[in-house]
Amino acid sequence: AQSVTQLGSHVSVSEGALVLLRCNYSSSVPPYLFWYVQYPNQGLQLLLKYTSAATLVKGINGFEAEFKKSETSFHLTKPSAHMSDAAEYFCAVSGITTGGFKTIFGAGTRLFVKA
Amino acid sequence: SQTIHQWPATLVQPVGSPLSLECTVEGTSNPNLYWYRQAAGRGLQLLFYSVGIGQISSEVPQNLSASRPQDRQFILSSKKLLLSDSGFYLCAWTGTAMNYGYTFGSGTRLTVV
Repeated sequence: AQSVTQLGSHVSVSEGALVLLRCNYSSSVPPYLFWYVQYPNQGLQLLLKYTSAATLVKGINGFEAEFKKSETSFHLTKPSAHMSDAAEYFCAVSGITTGGFKTIFGAGTRLFVKA
Repeated sequence: SQTIHQWPATLVQPVGSPLSLECTVEGTSNPNLYWYRQAAGRGLQLLFYSVGIGQISSEVPQNLSASRPQDRQFILSSKKLLLSDSGFYLCAWTGTAMNYGYTFGSGTRLTVV
């Protein structure tokens, strides 16, 4: 069975500081992994995705994530936070299960950026 | 390019009234279509998905229903709204490949009063 765990429902960083949002997954088959961002009262937007090519994936807005199979992790990072990064971030895993193709979303992590 | 349209953006409805939310996709054919709901401060709850015209799978039993009358049209309905139906409703589509990722609409904020 697939599952996604996002560690920390809220993360607060200072502007210019490193952003690290944690995601661990469980999947019985090689997974496809995604990060999405949601700004208030908007839909989710795809930030980046891992699809078994390079383990370090670069996305939009300066974000990147590294797939670590041994740790079953896909943490999202950004070297320097900007005020505009304040949003909610969702990790997701997709794969084939006995019930067919499924995508599971994490519960989300809200990022606060302090001036 | 592919786009997804969802409307209305906000909706305030009395308890017991009907609901119809519409979602359309442009620039692609035979998309997989989804309805999700976000309650306040909560994650995403998958309500319905569809892999083709007239094919609807329900993930959560409730007083909502979905229909797909055309390839790129997905409708979420209710005959009688409950207070617990309040939330942020999101339509999304994907291609048939698993690595496609979702493209989400801009959402509908539904408040049942």
